[in-house]
Amino acid sequence: DAKTTQPTSMDCAEGRAANLPCNHSTISGNEYVYWYRQIHSQGPQYIIHGLKNNETNEMASLIITEDRKSSTLILPHATLRDTAVYYCIVSFAGQNFVFGPGTRLSVLP
Amino acid sequence: EAGVAQSPRYKIIEKRQSVAFWCNPISGHATLYWYQQILGQGPKLLIQFQNNGVVDDSQLPKDRFSAERLKGVDSTLKIQPAKLEDSAVYLCASSPSLGGQETQYFGPGTRLLVL
Repeated sequence: DAKTTQPTSMDCAEGRAANLPCNHSTISGNEYVYWYRQIHSQGPQYIIHGLKNNETNEMASLIITEDRKSSTLILPHATLRDTAVYYCIVSFAGQNFVFGPGTRLSVLP
Repeated sequence: EAGVAQSPRYKIIEKRQSVAFWCNPISGHATLYWYQQILGQGPKLLIQFQNNGVVDDSQLPKDRFSAERLKGVDSTLKIQPAKLEDSAVYLCASSPSLGGQETQYFGPGTRLLVL
C-alpha cells in the first residue's frame, strides 16, 4: 500500500497557483518525498523531491512541514498543460516507489 | 540526452498468446525498472534490475511473467500466456545509481490490450 494519501481530484484556474497536498504521516527519518506527474498517455514525469527543507526548481516548489508528516506541491502559475495526475511518493534512495492513485489536477481556462 | 525508449507503443493480442516488450534505458543508467499500470491506478513495480542482476521481483507473477537484462543495458519483459487482466500499460524506468537519492526516469509505456 502507498504510504501517502492525496485528494482524488482538484481544479485550478489557469494562471493561478495550484497547491497539491499530500499526507505521509508514517514517513521515516531517511525517506524523501518525491513528486511525479503523468499527463494522459505518457509515462510519469519527475517534478521535484526533498527531505525536510523546502525545495524549488523550474517546475515547482515543494513545502514540507516541520514534522514531515505532510507536504504541498506548488505550481506557481498553472497552465492548461499542467493538467495531469500528480503522484506523491515517499522513498528511501529513490527506489521502491509505491504509487497511490494520485490527484487528478484539472486546470481550467 | 535521449530518454527511455520502449517498443512497441501498442499491442493487441488474444488471451493465451505470448507478448514481449522492449526497453532501452537512458545511456549509463545502471538501474532499470518495469512497472504495470492498470487503468485508473498508479504504476505498480514488477521488477528492478541493477546492471544485469535482479534486485526485486517480489511482485512479478512468475508463473507467466519473465524479464531479463542480459548485458546490463536493454531489457525485455515477456508475458506467456497472457490473461485478460494483463491489459495495462507497461512502463520502463531507469535511474543512474550514482549513490544517494535517485531519480527515476520513465519511458512512454507500452499499452497492452488482451482480448
